[in-house]
Amino acid sequence: GQNIDQPTEMTATEGAIVQINCTYQTSGFNGLFWYQQHAGEAPTFLSYNVLDGLEEKGRFSSFLSRSKGYSYLLLKELQMKDSASYLCAVNNQGGKLIFGQGTELSVKP
Amino acid sequence: KAGVTQTPRYLIKTRGQQVTLSCSPISGHRSVSWYQQTPGQGLQFLFEYFSETQRNKGNFPGRFSGRQFSNSRSEMNVSTLELGDSALYLCASSLSGGMSYEQYFGPGTRLTVT
Repeated sequence: GQNIDQPTEMTATEGAIVQINCTYQTSGFNGLFWYQQHAGEAPTFLSYNVLDGLEEKGRFSSFLSRSKGYSYLLLKELQMKDSASYLCAVNNQGGKLIFGQGTELSVKP
Repeated sequence: KAGVTQTPRYLIKTRGQQVTLSCSPISGHRSVSWYQQTPGQGLQFLFEYFSETQRNKGNFPGRFSGRQFSNSRSEMNVSTLELGDSALYLCASSLSGGMSYEQYFGPGTRLTVT
């Protein structure tokens, strides 16, 4: 079966660092994506990992461990505009993404 | 470069009717994937089209169908609408739908079935 787990919601303070975890069990694995989705808007791409290790892109970093079926998204220097849903998705077959339920992040002043 | 566009943005239909949604991918993108998003189930994959052929399919009933045209534009059709079909329908395009290509999402079509 296909299963992707991430926390339902998280709260953090402006200026702080937050880590959003994602664990997955899928029949195939061709890479893991993180998307950000603000309420009422389409998901937007944040990061992609296919090899183990850390990918850094500005304030956002994403880590992958294929042997553990685990990834995390790290957000630094949190801003109010980072309040959104963060979606972990596994590409297990061509153009097919399997999404987790999303983590609703609230950034408070 | 224009983004992914979807029409219509909002739609209200009655149970039993059918509906057709349209998606125009980013220029040069040949793969179009469709997703259904609901509060309870999250984002679920419907199907993917590449070069006018359905390449992948999710676990949705046969009432959900789609097609892709030679210009890569795609349509999805839902027949005999049910209340549970009320959702945000998102399409996403990518260069080839290959493993490493990110998918760019359109703004979605909000379908309400009454």
